[in-house]
Amino acid sequence: AQRVTQPEKLLSVFKGAPVELKCNYSYSGSPELFWYVQYSRQRLQLLLRHISRESIKGFTADLNKGETSFHLKKPFAQEEDSAMYYCALMPGSYIPTFGRGTSLIVHP
Amino acid sequence: EAGVAQSPRYKIIEKRQSVAFWCNPISGHATLYWYQQILGQGPKLLIQFQNNGVVDDSQLPKDRFSAERLKGVDSTLKIQPAKLEDSAVYLCASSPLQAQSRGQYFGPGTRLTVT
Repeated sequence: AQRVTQPEKLLSVFKGAPVELKCNYSYSGSPELFWYVQYSRQRLQLLLRHISRESIKGFTADLNKGETSFHLKKPFAQEEDSAMYYCALMPGSYIPTFGRGTSLIVHP
Repeated sequence: EAGVAQSPRYKIIEKRQSVAFWCNPISGHATLYWYQQILGQGPKLLIQFQNNGVVDDSQLPKDRFSAERLKGVDSTLKIQPAKLEDSAVYLCASSPLQAQSRGQYFGPGTRLTVT
């Protein structure tokens, strides 16, 4: 069965520090992975797709099939990055599975 | 482009009552999803529609939950009768048929409290 694991419920860093939000997945096929973000009092929105290999708001995520991971990284955190981050797996049949989320708090 | 709309935004009911949620996806989006998000957890897919057909409802508790998307546009999710454990945020999302790999667009959610 497919599964997404986000081991950290909460990640607390200071402004300017590097950030890495962990995501591990379990899926036997070829995965499509996403990061979604939910800022305070806003709706869930797409942040990154692994297939696009893009950098959004300074965040990047690399799919590591050997380690079945898709960690989200940013070299210098900003206060406005404080939010809930969800990793999501969309397998070939497109039935999505979300992780439980990591709350990122960036202190000034 | 207008986003995914949901109503009501909040609902409080007593257990054993019934409740219905409404979703209007982004215009032209063929795929519509209903999720349940319990506090402290990620969204869990309840049902996925493609146009007005069901793609997956394996995680929908069919003894009490039902959903329909009669004309392939708006959708309604119903709970009858509600239980305390149904307290959650119910999210609706949509995506274009040919671009599901580009991700989903979410509505603001309906927060349900069952007392």
